[in-house]
Amino acid sequence: EAGVAQSPRYKIIEKRQSVAFWCNPISGHATLYWYQQILGQGPKLLIQFQNNGVVDDSQLPKDRFSAERLKGVDSTLKIQPAKLEDSAVYLCASSPQFSNQPQHFGDGTRLSIL
Amino acid sequence: GQQVMQIPQYQHVQEGEDFTTYCNSSTTLSNIQWYKQRPGGHPVFLIQLVKSGEVKKQKRLTFQFGEAKKNSSLHITATQTTDVGTYFCAGPPSNTGKLIFGQGTTLQVKP
Repeated sequence: EAGVAQSPRYKIIEKRQSVAFWCNPISGHATLYWYQQILGQGPKLLIQFQNNGVVDDSQLPKDRFSAERLKGVDSTLKIQPAKLEDSAVYLCASSPQFSNQPQHFGDGTRLSIL
Repeated sequence: GQQVMQIPQYQHVQEGEDFTTYCNSSTTLSNIQWYKQRPGGHPVFLIQLVKSGEVKKQKRLTFQFGEAKKNSSLHITATQTTDVGTYFCAGPPSNTGKLIFGQGTTLQVKP
């Protein structure tokens, strides 16, 4: 089966600019997650979707981050405006149902803010 | 807030030596999952433990889930250079569906 697809792999922007990431989960997976992984740390959940509904976005900085999964399949994560501390790898993961099940991760997008 | 801590943060071993990483949660977990992330790669699922006191083995890797479902360990016997990477534990607290990751233990193996 095809894995979780993410694009772009790398992105370099200046602070205060905007950026968007795209994720296509494994076919049939109802749950989609966006994580932020800062160098040397474990992934931190930003938002969790169940189909096209938000299950948890408690750690999403909503003043600058937004995410959508309109048709319950692929998803986009946007940052506007970016800050220096947003430099990180943004990982997308999916699982068949809830987070009690193993998650399958994409290769991530490495974001550098200048 | 809910936290999952791992020790040690880094471990350097000689090839053939054993390695253990420990995971402790501030709250009871409904299950514990272990992931491995190679340098430059993404986390890859290794195993899930659900029952209190559960022990599972995968070849040279042994995983344990504590009786109180608040701690776990991963033990690698006779490490190989292919074991290099960062090992993360992660679990959803019993009253939530959110997976909380530890900060990981990075293993370096000298040939």
